[in-house]
Amino acid sequence: KAGVTQTPRYLIKTRGQQVTLSCSPISGHRSVSWYQQTPGQGLQFLFEYFSETQRNKGNFPGRFSGRQFSNSRSEMNVSTLELGDSALYLCASSPSGRDREGLFFGSGTQLSVL
Amino acid sequence: AQTVTQSQPEMSVQEAETVTLSCTYDTSESDYYLFWYKQPPSRQMILVIRQEAYKQQNATENRFSVNFQKAAKSFSLKISDSQLGDAAMYFCALRSGNTGKLIFGQGTTLQVKP
Repeated sequence: KAGVTQTPRYLIKTRGQQVTLSCSPISGHRSVSWYQQTPGQGLQFLFEYFSETQRNKGNFPGRFSGRQFSNSRSEMNVSTLELGDSALYLCASSPSGRDREGLFFGSGTQLSVL
Repeated sequence: AQTVTQSQPEMSVQEAETVTLSCTYDTSESDYYLFWYKQPPSRQMILVIRQEAYKQQNATENRFSVNFQKAAKSFSLKISDSQLGDAAMYFCALRSGNTGKLIFGQGTTLQVKP
């Protein structure tokens, strides 16, 4: 079974631009969540999607948005990029999001904002 | 609010020796799960071990075991017979039973010396 796949692995953008990151969950997993990892703030929860509906949202500005498609693939979008958005963005999936097994993570997308 | 604290930013251990990583947490929930994740230089978060709060027995996975002290809200990870491949950043994480959101600690970087 393939793992969680995130594309692209690396992105370089400039301030003010927007960016879209993609995540393909493990087959059969319907919950996809996103996390931002930075050296200063650590790992912070962005949002969770289940069956195309946002089920939970972290404390991030409205510039951060996401969506989930009928095949459970998810995208997150960041508009009007700021220098502080430079981070590793991790996607995680699980069958229901409430599973005792925890979450399965992808390798992340490293976003650099110049 | 739920919090997770890892008070050891860095630890080192000699190959084949045993090391213990500390984690304390705070939650008002009665139904929750605790996890240890490993993040090697490849950046992918790998689940090491999990513990259900309602289980008194400490979880064990091969060379990895936990010391779960529910009253003290402590969840430490013991790595026995340390191997060079264990070198990574280790994150302690908490999840309430009714949400898919993981709360992470700041992480502990483990160095394994040959």
